[in-house]
Amino acid sequence: QSVLTQPPSASGTPGQRVTISCSGSSSNIGSNTVNWYQQLPGTAPKLLIYSNNQRPSGVPDRFSGSKSGTSASLAISGLQSEDEADYYCAAWDDSLNGQGVFGGGTKLTVL
Amino acid sequence: QLQLQESGPGLVKPSETLSLTCTVSGGSISSSSYYWGWIRQPPGKGLEWIGSIYYSGSTYYNPSLKSRVTISVDTSKNQFSLKLSSVTAADTAVYYCARDRGYDSGDHSHVDYWGQGTLVTVSS
Repeated sequence: QSVLTQPPSASGTPGQRVTISCSGSSSNIGSNTVNWYQQLPGTAPKLLIYSNNQRPSGVPDRFSGSKSGTSASLAISGLQSEDEADYYCAAWDDSLNGQGVFGGGTKLTVL
Repeated sequence: QLQLQESGPGLVKPSETLSLTCTVSGGSISSSSYYWGWIRQPPGKGLEWIGSIYYSGSTYYNPSLKSRVTISVDTSKNQFSLKLSSVTAADTAVYYCARDRGYDSGDHSHVDYWGQGTLVTVSS
């Protein structure tokens, strides 16, 4: 059972816009920023979004993040076949002297 | 280009101690701006944050693993290590070493560099 809640799956067709949600609580998303990771099959995760809505250098602007209250969202516009991957949200949780927490992951399928 | 590489046994017996080392190249582990940590992923499952260490030795641990985990750093070798004691089959996972940005923000879930990961299986 993950501390952050994500839908297990999402799908879209090429060119479409899809969103992935991430729900938390006051001790994590409600009081700290959210990061998003993309994990292609058989590879290590890659930082996609940090501090709610910041993109590292090299990440296309098709990827965007937002946060409101205790929830966050990742949006992917102009969906491409290479976007098919697992996506994870993460945040710092202030409970129990602090810990990193992840969502359970969302598998994105490009139809 | 910063690179992280995990090394250690791929098979550990139940009740024994899992030991992994991460070697950092292309940058100094003694950099004042970063923490260094471990994250794991059981086969077919999601990510779990294990803990982080600063080059000075300051650590943060996942409370659910804290009684069994030790993360240490060797600045002379540009390495940091993970020890997880009393392992069971539930500790079978791909273990990733990583660099996190928690020094500035306090957010050790913000990881900008990852190792390729190493599978550790707990089995007799």
